Amino acid sequence: SQTIHQWPATLVQPVGSPLSLECTVEGTSNPNLYWYRQAAGRGLQLLFYSVGIGQISSEVPQNLSASRPQDRQFILSSKKLLLSDSGFYLCAWRDGYTEAFFGQGTRLTVV
Amino acid sequence: QKEVEQDPGPLSVPEGAIVSLNCTYSNSVFQYFMWYRQYSRKGPELLMYTYSSGNKEDGRFTAQVDKSSKYISLFIRDSQPSDSATYLCAMRFNQGGKLIFGQGTELSVKP
Repeated sequence: SQTIHQWPATLVQPVGSPLSLECTVEGTSNPNLYWYRQAAGRGLQLLFYSVGIGQISSEVPQNLSASRPQDRQFILSSKKLLLSDSGFYLCAWRDGYTEAFFGQGTRLTVV
Repeated sequence: QKEVEQDPGPLSVPEGAIVSLNCTYSNSVFQYFMWYRQYSRKGPELLMYTYSSGNKEDGRFTAQVDKSSKYISLFIRDSQPSDSATYLCAMRFNQGGKLIFGQGTELSVKP
């Protein structure tokens, strides 16, 4: 069966520090991968999605970037965090036969 | 105007009540409609999935889509305290399309 791993679960980072969040999927090949952000009391905002290795689409211009170095690995990065980057970051995957399945999320607080 | 509108609540009901959760959308091209449940500090989990108009039932849950009115609903019968969560509607244009989420409705079922 397919599983999705996302880490860390919680992160507190100072303003101006770099960020790297990792997501890996098991049990499927060539999935579509997504990064979402959820602000408190808000819905999910799509940040990036990828349909294959090295193929990244950005939905919202901001202080973040994404990379997909391997088929089932998706990384969210920032060179310098802003206070406004705080939020709940969710990785998700889907293939041609399923709806999106989400990881357990990373709660990022920028201080 | 947001593509998908959902009343954020909070909605509080007594145990055993019938709950009605709703979303409206603006783009008639949406074809696939989903409901996700999200417990506090967790990733969303897929509850129901429907294609085009009509009803779909799964245990105590019924999903309803009215494309002519651009309106979707989720009904929960015999609600339980364990149903207390945030419910997110989501939709997409086609098989490979991006998932667009509503804001989520926070539901509390009181014993």
